[in-house]
Amino acid sequence: QKEVEQDPGPLSVPEGAIVSLNCTYSNSAFQYFMWYRQYSRKGPELLMYTYSSGNKEDGRFTAQVDKSSKYISLFIRDSQPSDSATYLCAMTDPQSGGSYIPTFGRGTSLIVHP
Amino acid sequence: SAVISQKPSRDICQRGTSLTIQCQVDSQVTMMFWYRQQPGQSLTLIATANQGSEATYESGFVIDKFPISRPNLTFSTLTVSNMSPEDSSIYLCSGTRDTQYFGPGTRLTVL
Repeated sequence: QKEVEQDPGPLSVPEGAIVSLNCTYSNSAFQYFMWYRQYSRKGPELLMYTYSSGNKEDGRFTAQVDKSSKYISLFIRDSQPSDSATYLCAMTDPQSGGSYIPTFGRGTSLIVHP
Repeated sequence: SAVISQKPSRDICQRGTSLTIQCQVDSQVTMMFWYRQQPGQSLTLIATANQGSEATYESGFVIDKFPISRPNLTFSTLTVSNMSPEDSSIYLCSGTRDTQYFGPGTRLTVL
């Protein structure tokens, strides 16, 4: 079993839909949870960052962490064609050697069509 | 934020040759890393590039195949040596300061 599982998709939705992207993980030591967005032929860019459990909202994006279930989600409201990209979850164990080296999911390809 | 550039952006190489990828960061970063990203796969960490000393390699990656240099805080190179078609992938440079930043990647195709 991989440490971080993420469905690669593709996930295709109409413009304006609410999108739910998810990851599960097996390492209970993970404390920091991140979502990266990667456009085609570009490097990943950090979208959202949360610590431990709970929700964090930023505009149309909400990141949710449920540590009891080892499950994290990214919700996108009022999705736009410009949201079409690959979304990668990532997480780190702050006790792991003291260095910032996240474990990444495979990424979910999202397509928002007009 | 940090801006990271990579050269070349893409290349097509013959089996048995080597390619050196350059990574330049516009400001000092704490750590620099090299990743490989294969289609449909997660980002795989190759190594941590250490300034002025040998890189720290992850399991499955060795210095003879992927020699790395980091002569200063803002520049690093990754060489893919004696290439085979299995090395075809996107290679990403990354740097950390307040958070982790990635370069645009180098798309390598080995024939």
